Amino acid sequence: DIVMTQTPLSLSVTPGQPASISCKSSQSLLHSDGKTYLYWYLQKPGQSPQLLIYEVSSRFSGVPDRFSGSGSGTDFTLKISRVEAEDVGVYYCMQGIHLPQTFGQGTKLEIK
Amino acid sequence: EVQLVESGGGLVKPGGSLRLSCAASGFTFSSYSMNWVRQAPGKGLEWVSSISSSSSYIYYADSVKGRFTISRDNAKNSLYLQMNSLRAEDTAVYYCARYQISSWTYFDYWGQGTLVTVSS
Repeated sequence: DIVMTQTPLSLSVTPGQPASISCKSSQSLLHSDGKTYLYWYLQKPGQSPQLLIYEVSSRFSGVPDRFSGSGSGTDFTLKISRVEAEDVGVYYCMQGIHLPQTFGQGTKLEIK
Repeated sequence: EVQLVESGGGLVKPGGSLRLSCAASGFTFSSYSMNWVRQAPGKGLEWVSSISSSSSYIYYADSVKGRFTISRDNAKNSLYLQMNSLRAEDTAVYYCARYQISSWTYFDYWGQGTLVTVSS
């Protein structure tokens, strides 16, 4: 199975400041079809995960543009340009190139 | 609006059985492959099982293979997970999740989950 490793595992951010989460995969997520199968989810407290970003950098419907994704191959980053109080929760990266889909350990975002 | 509502969770003794259900609405259920994903208390996310739109293709995580059975009833817009020979390590919130259409790559919508506790 592909191992997904996130850093940091937690971060505390002042509202209005940026935040960044790194995700590394044990194998390249670039498929022969040209797509890279890396996704980001946010699980808010007491809720189910919600899709933020698909295929590295495309925002899902309704996701604010302060969220952005980047990266290639095995190294990826989720950035929040200006953190808001509603962004608290645990962020997970996930690979979808091979079954089983596997998730990173999660990064807990707190507000200072 | 896409809605996925799980039910059937509860407390069960080790070795026991439980059947989870997921009621889908707001989309053409029969066109989508579906999944179960679980989350142990305080832990991360673990994919459990997938089923194609017509039930032709089914996959399981090694941790549940031979004990869990996924199924669906497209006429009832429902997804199921029959869980047998339950173990303490199966304790988790179980989420029903939809695959993005025509792909087996990511989950675009999730239900709110149902808690399964395996304990004597």
